Amino acid sequence: DAGVTQSPTHLIKTRGQHVTLRCSPISGHKSVSWYQQVLGQGPQFIFQYYEKEERGRGNFPDRFSARQFPNYSSELNVNALLLGDSALYLCASSLGGGQGAYEQYFGPGTRLTVT
Amino acid sequence: AQSVTQLDSQVPVFEEAPVELRCNYSSSVSVYLFWYVQYPNQGLQLLLKYLSGSTLVKGINGFEAEFNKSQTSFHLRKPSVHISDTAEYFCAVRHNQFYFGTGTSLTVIP
Repeated sequence: DAGVTQSPTHLIKTRGQHVTLRCSPISGHKSVSWYQQVLGQGPQFIFQYYEKEERGRGNFPDRFSARQFPNYSSELNVNALLLGDSALYLCASSLGGGQGAYEQYFGPGTRLTVT
Repeated sequence: AQSVTQLDSQVPVFEEAPVELRCNYSSSVSVYLFWYVQYPNQGLQLLLKYLSGSTLVKGINGFEAEFNKSQTSFHLRKPSVHISDTAEYFCAVRHNQFYFGTGTSLTVIP
């Protein structure tokens, strides 16, 4: 079975531009979470979606938004890019979206560089 | 909000030697605890998890971790490391959402 897939793998954007990152969860998983991992740091939680509804939001500005589609894939959008948005963006999928200890399975990430 | 502290940012160790990677978390409520490994240019892979029950948890690749509630710790151990264990290791706590530590870079020296 395919794992979590993310696209693109790398991209370079200019300050002020907009970017869309995509994620496909493991088949049968209904929850997708997004994380930002700045070089040398651990992943920071951005969003969680379950059954197409937002279930959690981390401490990120409104420039960050996301959505989940009927097939459970997800997009992360970032507007008005700043240099500080340069990071590895990780998507993780899990079976459930509640408070249970559902394991999260991570994709390989999208490396975003803002110049 | 939870916080996770990984006390060592870098740990060099000789091949076949034992290793311990330390993790402390801040919580007075029940949490779920995880260790993940990240190889260069890859996502995170789950090594092991503590949900409840026995405080000694065994994971993949010969790793194990011990949950200590009184010390709010969840240290990762391996009795004999291999070159292939060289990677970044992250401790994580789940309480409403996942909180990750800043990572420990394990380098195994031949």
